[in-house]
Amino acid sequence: NAGVTQTPKFRILKIGQSMTLQCAQDMNHNYMYWYRQDPGMGLKLIYYSVGAGITDKGEVPNGYNVSRSTTEYFPLRLELAAPSQTSVYFCASFDHSRGGGENTGELFFGEGSRLTVL
Amino acid sequence: AQSVSQHNHHVILSEAASLELGCNYSYGGTVNLFWYVQYPGQHLQLLLKYFSGDPLVKGIKGFEAEFIKSKFSFNLRKPSVQWSDTAEYFCAVIPGLTGRRALTFGSGTRLQVQP
Repeated sequence: NAGVTQTPKFRILKIGQSMTLQCAQDMNHNYMYWYRQDPGMGLKLIYYSVGAGITDKGEVPNGYNVSRSTTEYFPLRLELAAPSQTSVYFCASFDHSRGGGENTGELFFGEGSRLTVL
Repeated sequence: AQSVSQHNHHVILSEAASLELGCNYSYGGTVNLFWYVQYPGQHLQLLLKYFSGDPLVKGIKGFEAEFIKSKFSFNLRKPSVQWSDTAEYFCAVIPGLTGRRALTFGSGTRLQVQP
């Protein structure tokens, strides 16, 4: 199994450009998440999904959009990139079925995507 | 909404020293608690977790954590650190019974172990 795969690993954007961060998992997990990590700030939840066709906002959703058309893929879209979106982005997945109906929190993380907006 | 506070942002220790990293959370109900570790250049990995039962939980690599409900704390400990423990450590919380099905992370503690 490849686990959680994120692309690209690094990207530089100009202000106002748009891009999509890709995330794929091959573990058939139903829950998927996008976090951003900023120095000294921990991880902030951007969006999450509890299954195909279902998405919900996290703590910091402004400036982002997501879609979940299949179980495997959970892309994160940045529209009109701003310097405040310079960060490291992590995608994660979780198998809700193993938690017995409860999110036990053992997330599997991708390796991260470092985005710089200039 | 729940929140997580980690008191130490940067800790420097010598090898064989004992470690204790503080974590406090704010949430009035039942919680599940976690410590994650992020080694340099790597993604986050689960270190240990607490759901219920014995408040002293043991994780991988000799780490343990104690849940003290009255203090809303879940401090991470290790009796003797090694150079390979150099990493960033994150405490996290999720409501145990209801609420959003995602973790809230603390701001992290960067541990540097000097040989």
